[in-house]
Amino acid sequence: GENVEQHPSTLSVQEGDSAVIKCTYSDSASNYFPWYKQELGKGPQLIIDIRSNVGEKKDQRIAVTLNKTAKHFSLHITETQPEDSAVYFCAAKSGNTPLVFGKGTRLSVIA
Amino acid sequence: EAGVTQFPSHSVIEKGQTVTLRCDPISGHDNLYWYRRVMGKEIKFLLHFVKESKQDESGMPNNRFLAERTGGTYSTLKVQPAELEDSGVYFCASSKQLRGTGELFFGEGSRLTVL
Repeated sequence: GENVEQHPSTLSVQEGDSAVIKCTYSDSASNYFPWYKQELGKGPQLIIDIRSNVGEKKDQRIAVTLNKTAKHFSLHITETQPEDSAVYFCAAKSGNTPLVFGKGTRLSVIA
Repeated sequence: EAGVTQFPSHSVIEKGQTVTLRCDPISGHDNLYWYRRVMGKEIKFLLHFVKESKQDESGMPNNRFLAERTGGTYSTLKVQPAELEDSGVYFCASSKQLRGTGELFFGEGSRLTVL
């Protein structure tokens, strides 16, 4: 089955700097890669996703890149703000299989 | 529109006791999922309902876990008897779209602590 590895487990950045979180996956059949953000006391919420027919997708300060050959995808947050502080999870799936999540990255943005 | 709601938000029980977690999905969402996160680890899939039917229960740890979704509305997840390793946060999620890449909407989770 699918296995998703996520790094780093914790990340601290100064406000205004960029943050990058990286994930690798094992199943070459995976074709959908969402990113979820979990704020304290809340459930995970989808912030951006990418499908295997696209190499990069951007939404304001958030971007995701996908390298199918290497089986890895990354989340990029630019101009970080304190409200970006949260736990971020990457995930992967193929077809109707369940989403498989990474272990999460705790991002702290220091003002 | 109400989101996914879960109850209780936190439960503390002793080993050997029983706990029942409840999830109310978003109205109209036929797909309901249970996931669990043990501290510091990944959010791990437990099972998937389509309406009242179990579509995939490959992630259920063992027969101490029983999930139901009578009538295709809310779902319950019962742990009986609870063991120490069952501690974690149990998330419920729902989605409208079955096939492909429908967004999962998560509840806030039920934190289970087994002493």
